[in-house]
Amino acid sequence: AQSVTQLGSHVSVSEGALVLLRCNYSSSVPPYLFWYVQYPNQGLQLLLKYTSAATLVKGINGFEAEFKKSETSFHLTKPSAHMSDAAEYFCAVRDTGFQKLVFGTGTRLLVSP
Amino acid sequence: DTAVSQTPKYLVTQMGNDKSIKCEQNLGHDTMYWYKQDSKKFLKIMFSYNNKELIINETVPNRFSPKSPDKAHLNLHINSLELGDSAVYFCASSQADRNTEAFFGQGTRLTVV
Repeated sequence: AQSVTQLGSHVSVSEGALVLLRCNYSSSVPPYLFWYVQYPNQGLQLLLKYTSAATLVKGINGFEAEFKKSETSFHLTKPSAHMSDAAEYFCAVRDTGFQKLVFGTGTRLLVSP
Repeated sequence: DTAVSQTPKYLVTQMGNDKSIKCEQNLGHDTMYWYKQDSKKFLKIMFSYNNKELIINETVPNRFSPKSPDKAHLNLHINSLELGDSAVYFCASSQADRNTEAFFGQGTRLTVV
């Protein structure tokens, strides 16, 4: 079964600093990977997705992620953090066969002035 | 125009009661899901329906009964509510393709007292 692991339940950065949120996947077949963001008391919003078309994926709000098969990773980055980026971020993989999304445990991004 | 809408947004009820959460999507998707998010923000699939047929039932107590009257609606009925049922429940929808993302509703925060 497919799974994802997010390293770090909390990541703290200063405004303007680089954001790096880590996600490693486990899959027996080429994976379809997603990053979602959840703002307080809201639902999940798609940031970006990897569907094998390109290894570097650009998403909304200046985020991007790079698929690295050799490292089984799909880390999320943003060059310069804004206060409005403070939220919970989830990495997810499409499970084969049953088509459900399997989520990681989430990483809370804290941005300080 | 809301893509995936669920009602109510908040639900406070006593132990032993029966309650329902409704979900509707206007995206024309053929698959709908219920996810449960616990107090630690962990997201777990509960049910999935494809074209009104149940395709995923993830070891959820049979007090939880989903119903899909048509492709655009997926309701969740919970009998004999317990304290441990307190969580945020998310409805989502997608097309049944591995490379497509799921769209989430705003969530229903259920509190059992």
